[in-house]
Amino acid sequence: DIQLTQSPSFLSASVGDRVTITCRASQDISSYLAWYQQRPGKAPKLLIYGASTLQSGVPSRFSGSGSGTEFTLTIISLQPEDFATYYCHQLNSYFPTFGGGTKVEIK
Amino acid sequence: EVQLVQSGAEVKKPGESLKISCKVSGDSFTRYWLGWVRQVPGKGLEWMGIIYPGESDTRYGPSFQGQVTISADKSISTAYLKWRSLKASDTAMYYCARQGGSGLAFDYWGQGTLVTVSS
Repeated sequence: DIQLTQSPSFLSASVGDRVTITCRASQDISSYLAWYQQRPGKAPKLLIYGASTLQSGVPSRFSGSGSGTEFTLTIISLQPEDFATYYCHQLNSYFPTFGGGTKVEIK
Repeated sequence: EVQLVQSGAEVKKPGESLKISCKVSGDSFTRYWLGWVRQVPGKGLEWMGIIYPGESDTRYGPSFQGQVTISADKSISTAYLKWRSLKASDTAMYYCARQGGSGLAFDYWGQGTLVTVSS
């Protein structure tokens, strides 16, 4: 299985901050990586696919980058509705896997 | 508008069987893969498996192979997740999600079905 390691697992930030979350894959997954946002009590929501393509309807303050084994999700100017848990998801292997999640909380 | 609507919460005893459902509307049911994702309370997401309803082609994650069965009924645009004998460790929220054109990512999700297994 391809393992995905997210860091940090928890971060505390303020409204207006720039936030960066990293996802590292245990082997090369090209650009087959997606990012999801999950608010408490809700289903996950697709933010980014293909490592850097913004899903339709997602605000442009979200961006993704990377390829191979290292990827980042960046949120510029964090908004109140962005406090949530974020997951990366690799789709390169026969058995897709998720990262462990990064919880973004209000400082 | 694409919608995935899952069946309601379930409370079961260990050893009982269960089948939960996910009905798709607003788009073709047979053109896309449909997956199931588990989330144990307070924990992360786990990829369980996926089905292509057009051909009933099914794939399971290593941890779930032999533990659950994924199926689909094209006539009613509904996918299913079934257990023959539940364990307490199956207590979790289960989501269905469509693997659409967005780079194989899950672009539409159901609202989740909470399964509680307790004696």
